[in-house]
Amino acid sequence: EAQVTQNPRYLITVTGKKLTVTCSQNMNHEYMSWYRQDPGLGLRQIYYSMNVEVTDKGDVPEGYKVSRKEKRNFPLILESPSPNQTSLYFCASSHYTPSGANVLTFGAGSRLTVL
Amino acid sequence: EDQVTQSPEALRLQEGESSSLNCSYTVSGLRGLFWYRQDPGKGPEFLFTLYSAGEEKEKERLKATLTKKESFLHITAPKPEDSATYLCAVQGAGGSYIPTFGRGTSLIVHP
Repeated sequence: EAQVTQNPRYLITVTGKKLTVTCSQNMNHEYMSWYRQDPGLGLRQIYYSMNVEVTDKGDVPEGYKVSRKEKRNFPLILESPSPNQTSLYFCASSHYTPSGANVLTFGAGSRLTVL
Repeated sequence: EDQVTQSPEALRLQEGESSSLNCSYTVSGLRGLFWYRQDPGKGPEFLFTLYSAGEEKEKERLKATLTKKESFLHITAPKPEDSATYLCAVQGAGGSYIPTFGRGTSLIVHP
């Protein structure tokens, strides 16, 4: 089954304790991205990657890191989490279409709480 | 900068009561306008892509239409299982591959 898999799905952690949210896709997609979703603010892009070893900042990159060493994986790293990073996180991927339209496949989400 | 505004923020309907959701957008050249459905606690799921004004697409009780300034998602005779948040996104043609999302419309259909 074609899918984007995120882990963990739920996580409660404390301020300053480094954590990684993994994302893996099995569709051989070139493009991957991370979003956070907060009530009243909608989906906001954190980082994206156009292909292996190519990453760039989205709208809200502060406090996050990413890497793209393999095509299928795009982990999100919080080096020193703070309470304002409590949110619902989504990983998404897509392949490049002839029209250039970016149709995203999303993961199921990772709910993170930072105390 | 691409912008997307969705209205209303929330909509309550009775089963069978047809209505429309609005997505107003500004973009420098449109590469695509997208509609997604998001169920509580789940990731958004792709519904439609519209590419140019006048285009329409349908899927079951949903019909998406597009003008140069806005898109409508028409829901005909909705059922409780249509309850979800509907997200609109646009992608400009200026070389960017990044879609911009609206904040969504939360739809509840009562039996």
